[in-house]
Amino acid sequence: DTGVSQDPRHKITKRGQNVTFRCDPISEHNRLYWYRQTLGQGPEFLTYFQNEAQLEKSRLLSDRFSAERPKGSFSTLEIQRTEQGDSAMYLCASSFAGKETQYFGPGTRLLVL
Amino acid sequence: GENVEQHPSTLSVQEGDSAVIKCTYSDSASNYFPWYKQELGKRPQLIIDIRSNVGEKKDQRIAVTLNKTAKHFSLHITETQPEDSAVYFCAACYGNKLVFGAGTILRVKS
Repeated sequence: DTGVSQDPRHKITKRGQNVTFRCDPISEHNRLYWYRQTLGQGPEFLTYFQNEAQLEKSRLLSDRFSAERPKGSFSTLEIQRTEQGDSAMYLCASSFAGKETQYFGPGTRLLVL
Repeated sequence: GENVEQHPSTLSVQEGDSAVIKCTYSDSASNYFPWYKQELGKRPQLIIDIRSNVGEKKDQRIAVTLNKTAKHFSLHITETQPEDSAVYFCAACYGNKLVFGAGTILRVKS
């Protein structure tokens, strides 16, 4: 499968714990995006990278959230001190710079107890 | 601000009938409008998109129309089939990010 992949697919954690998710974009896609989707809503933009540079962050991304893309390939999204309100599907997407079409991964479903 | 409104929130049609989903956007600078289909527990899949330099685009049973003056765009599915049942999201591209509507649950009854 040469599409966007995400790991893990599901994560259950207790409030206050830290969690980290990984996204592997389509190879050669230099843009990578993180979105969050809650039940009954469309995806909401969190942040995006072009190569290793994080170029935009949403105000939704509190200081408990941090994202990295150290080598311009895969990316990680870490949530520190998780809260119940962080429970959601975290989606990753990738694209070529200059091309608007974004391809989504299967998501990581997070449940914070 | 950046906002996309989508209607209706749910839509039930009989197999073979047409389905229409409508979206409006707030920022006239937006120039790219994709539509995604999401089945339960699966990733959003791009089904069609349109750029602001055209008014209509068609791909087999799916078509999208865009009215830039009114800032609205619509998805048309003809000859609906049970496998069209899913949640459909419209989106508008603002800068380098997509802003999504809240989604439409489409049920095709056989």
